[in-house]
Parts: sequence; structure tokens; C-alpha cells
Amino acid sequence: EVQLLESGGGLVQPGGSLRLSCAASGFTFSSYAMSWVRQAPGKGLEWVSSFGRSGGGTYYADSVKGRFTISRDNSKNTLYLQMNSLRVEDAAVYYCAKRGAGAASYYFDSWGQGTLVTVSS
Amino acid sequence: QTVVTQEPSFSVSPGGTVTLTCGLSSDSVSTSYYPSWYQQTPGQAPRTLIYNTNTRSSGVPDRFSGSILGNKAALTITGAQADDESDYYCVLYMGSGISVFGGGTKLTVL
Repeated sequence: EVQLLESGGGLVQPGGSLRLSCAASGFTFSSYAMSWVRQAPGKGLEWVSSFGRSGGGTYYADSVKGRFTISRDNSKNTLYLQMNSLRVEDAAVYYCAKRGAGAASYYFDSWGQGTLVTVSS
Repeated sequence: QTVVTQEPSFSVSPGGTVTLTCGLSSDSVSTSYYPSWYQQTPGQAPRTLIYNTNTRSSGVPDRFSGSILGNKAALTITGAQADDESDYYCVLYMGSGISVFGGGTKLTVL
């Protein structure tokens, strides 16, 4: 069974930094692209960033480009999101999501339960 | 800026059929956008329903189906049940690693 467990959320001041982690199990982590998706309170879902399979590239939404960095450690089956220069509008539940299998894996097939990031002074 | 459009809200009677749509502000949606659909109830993580236009995710009942209708992607729920009352989101793949969510449709079953 696929399990994705996010951690690292919390309260941070505007301009601060936070690193989120997503521990994966139940599948061959290195074989799948992974993503972060967020949801601000009372709002819809927003794709944030993706990391391709081993050797794959990294991709970012315009709203976080230059401030957030996605990375992965395949030896630890863990996905990360380093968030710098945080803004009030970055406050959200951040979900880790596994991308689908195959060549056309442009979808999210499993989700974690999310970790809450609050940005406030 | 690419905008993916969904109806903000929709209602359906129990046992009825409803079709939710997913459009693009600047183009017609085709299978080349690999549309996918997700269901979310308040306080819960999303659940994957449909991917690659019309492939049901594992465990999803066959009363959920996906298609292209005209110039939009569509999610049809046949025989709506009370626990289908949720928010539904579509995602389109824009290429170059970029995915865009629609704003979501709040479905009421009453």
C-alpha cells in the first residue's frame, strides 16, 4: 500500500524559511515522479512543484519559482520542499502526491494527508 | 496566464446524473492535456477519480466516467449518491512539467 507522510509544517514569520518532508513507502520511490500540491484555507488546490523520476527535471509554479526548491533523496525514499522568503499567501496545507505510472504520468495517483504551513507575524 | 475553468457549484438529485466540465480560457481541451479529476471532502486529502481523460483510478466506481465533450473535459456521475457531495477538481497538463488545477466545483446532492 502506498503511504505518503508529510512533516515539517508549522508557524513561520513572513520572510522566513521552512523545509517540508514527505516520507514514502509501499512503492519503488525512485521510479516515480513526485509533486507538491497546496491548498490555502477555504481555497482550491494549487500545483506547486514536481520532481521527475531518477534523472528527471524539476518544475515550479510561477507563484513559487525562485523561492521554493524541490528535491528528493531516493536512498531515504523522501521528497522535500525547501521554502524560502515565505509570504502570507503561501499559508496552506501542503500535500505530497505521487505521480502516475507510465509514459503519460501527468496525474497524481496517491496523496498524503498534508502538513499545515502558517505564515504570520 | 492559463486559466482552467470549472463551474463553481452544481447540484444533482439523488439517483440523478450530472456532468461537470473543465475548460481552458485560451484553447480547447483535448486528450493532449491529459485531463484528470479529483474528489475532495472537507478536511480530507484529495482522492483520484479519473486520469488520462477517461481511465478510472483503482477502486473508483464505474458511475464516475470521464470524457471530452465539445471543447472541454467532462466528469459524469451517473446515479448520484449522497456521499458524492464533495468538491471536484480537474487538472490539465500544460507541458514542460506544468500542471494547472481548475478552481473546483462544489457538488451538492439534494
